[in-house]
Amino acid sequence: DTGVSQNPRHKITKRGQNVTFRCDPISEHNRLYWYRQTLGQGPEFLTYFQNEAQLEKSRLLSDRFSAERPKGSFSTLEIQRTEQGDSAMYLCASSFGDVVQYFGPGTRLLVL
Amino acid sequence: GESVGLHLPTLSVQEGDNSIINCAYSNSASDYFIWYKQESGKGPQFIIDIRSNMDKRQGQRVTVLLNKTVKHLSLQIAATQPGDSAVYFCAERVSGTYKYIFGTGTRLKVLA
Repeated sequence: DTGVSQNPRHKITKRGQNVTFRCDPISEHNRLYWYRQTLGQGPEFLTYFQNEAQLEKSRLLSDRFSAERPKGSFSTLEIQRTEQGDSAMYLCASSFGDVVQYFGPGTRLLVL
Repeated sequence: GESVGLHLPTLSVQEGDNSIINCAYSNSASDYFIWYKQESGKGPQFIIDIRSNMDKRQGQRVTVLLNKTVKHLSLQIAATQPGDSAVYFCAERVSGTYKYIFGTGTRLKVLA
């Protein structure tokens, strides 16, 4: 199967630690998005890649957050010096061109 | 499983009845809209989309209506089934950006 995959599915970390999440988009999808979702809310846009270029970033993406998509395929999202407020579900989505985004299952982050 | 939304508006319908879920979107410059279904512990799942040059689009058991005058979107589900129970989000894309803005979501409960 070729849906969007994300790893790990769950991550528990202590405040101040760094974490990295990976997203593997659907094969041949050139667009990749990262979102954050907290309980009771819809997903909030974080950043967007077209191939390897990061074309848009939300103001939500503080300096502690960085995302890469080095070869235009998988992407990583790193959070440095995690804070309790970073606890959320981190969702990745991909699309081919200007059409529907397909979401992965998400990575649930808990910062203690 | 995890709860997607703890304090969301809830719509309860009897199995077999039709459901109508409403969404007020925020930006008159939005040109593309998507409805997603999200079950606990999973990423959003695409249901149906519509572009701003249309006012109605039908899928299998689902219809999306767009009223640009009042910035309103609705999702109609015919013959609602227990498997339709989930949280439903509308998402809008602002023209000229890659950013999708999600609504707060509506929980649909199907009563047997």
